[in-house]
Amino acid sequence: EPEVTQTPSHQVTQMGQEVILRCVPISNHLYFYWYRQILGQKVEFLVSFYNNEISEKSEIFDDQFSVERPDGSNFTLKIRSTKLEDSAMYFCASSDRVSGNTIYFGEGSWLTVV
Amino acid sequence: GESVGLHLPTLSVQEGDNSIINCAYSNSASDYFIWYKQESGKGPQFIIDIRSNMDKRQGQRVTVLLNKTVKHLSLQIAATQPGDSAVYFCAEAPSGGYNKLIFGAGTRLAVHP
Repeated sequence: EPEVTQTPSHQVTQMGQEVILRCVPISNHLYFYWYRQILGQKVEFLVSFYNNEISEKSEIFDDQFSVERPDGSNFTLKIRSTKLEDSAMYFCASSDRVSGNTIYFGEGSWLTVV
Repeated sequence: GESVGLHLPTLSVQEGDNSIINCAYSNSASDYFIWYKQESGKGPQFIIDIRSNMDKRQGQRVTVLLNKTVKHLSLQIAATQPGDSAVYFCAEAPSGGYNKLIFGAGTRLAVHP
């Protein structure tokens, strides 16, 4: 079964450093997403991406965050200057169209900011 | 405002029993609902979904019920197995835009032998 893959599985970074989380969505999917989950809390929407541009973003997704699809397969989330409160599990997800099709999630990248 | 919540934070059941996990939502504009299962250290795994023009949908050992009158969603798991132990999240999506899923707080299901 096709799956969304994410790297790294765990990253520890110092506060103020830049972090890039990488994702390979399911190959025929066109819609890509990042969600995050702070330990013990609910999963929260960050951003959706379609046709090489952001289609929607949440209030969490401020100027410190950016997304990019640098080639035909990767989808990245960059955090420019990490803060302690950015520590969370970051999930990449994809779907093949926006209208009610299943959104498949990756296994997540656990980010710890120290 | 929009919110999706779960009535019970933890549900303990005996292996072989049926499980019912409940969810309340407040956004009447939502028309697509999904149940996800999340095992420890893993990403949310799709279980079953339902659109607002339906009130029941069945999958393999799972049934989702939607009551739009009281804005209530439930997940029924038949013959619960140890492998069903996980946190279960309901999520809703607003009409016309399934980009942004709004997740509930989660219910932990513990299955005892």
